Amino acid sequence: QVQLVQSGAEVKKPGSSVKVSCKASGGTFSSYAISWVRQAPGQGLEWMGGIIPIFGTANYAQKFQGRVTITADESTSTAYMELSSLRSEDTAVYYCARDALAARPDWFDPWGQGTLVTVSS
Amino acid sequence: DIQMTQSPSSLSASVGDRVTITCRASQGISNYLAWYQQKPGKVPKLLIYAASTLQSGVPSRFSGSGSGTDFTLTISSLQPEDVATYYCQKYNSAPFTFGGGTKVEIK
Repeated sequence: QVQLVQSGAEVKKPGSSVKVSCKASGGTFSSYAISWVRQAPGQGLEWMGGIIPIFGTANYAQKFQGRVTITADESTSTAYMELSSLRSEDTAVYYCARDALAARPDWFDPWGQGTLVTVSS
Repeated sequence: DIQMTQSPSSLSASVGDRVTITCRASQGISNYLAWYQQKPGKVPKLLIYAASTLQSGVPSRFSGSGSGTDFTLTISSLQPEDVATYYCQKYNSAPFTFGGGTKVEIK
């Protein structure tokens, strides 16, 4: 049973960057895409981008292009999401989620527990 | 990019009622559609994938249908534990867009 465990809550200043980690355990890591989804307070789910670790190339939602970087470390089964030039509107819970099946786009299952990022001066 | 539109954005129904939520894609996505349930303060939970396949462990009162551009999630008999926000998501290709969500409450 695959589990995704994310890093802890962060408080950041506007203009800074944040890097959130997502460590997979209990299953194969490299062949399954990991996506990052965020949810601002009281708002819906927003896909930010994803990566298939074995290929190493990420794709991003247009809204976040140039500001988000998604990477993966196969040696530690950990994916990372770094968001730069933070503003107050980036205050949200950030989730990682894994594709259910390998090597093709799929529904997301499982999900990480979420990481709250608060951007405040 | 393909847009996903859910309706209604919220609904209130009585215990035992049949509840239907719709999701419309701006272009055809075959059956590459998933439904998630998110209870307040919790992680989204997969309910249905491939438009109509019930995830293991999900109660049979939940069902999904549709293909192409129009999809529905039905709760055949609403229970108090079904209070949540429900999201559809396309996954045929990136971006893997979610619908805006439907908040379900008990009347």
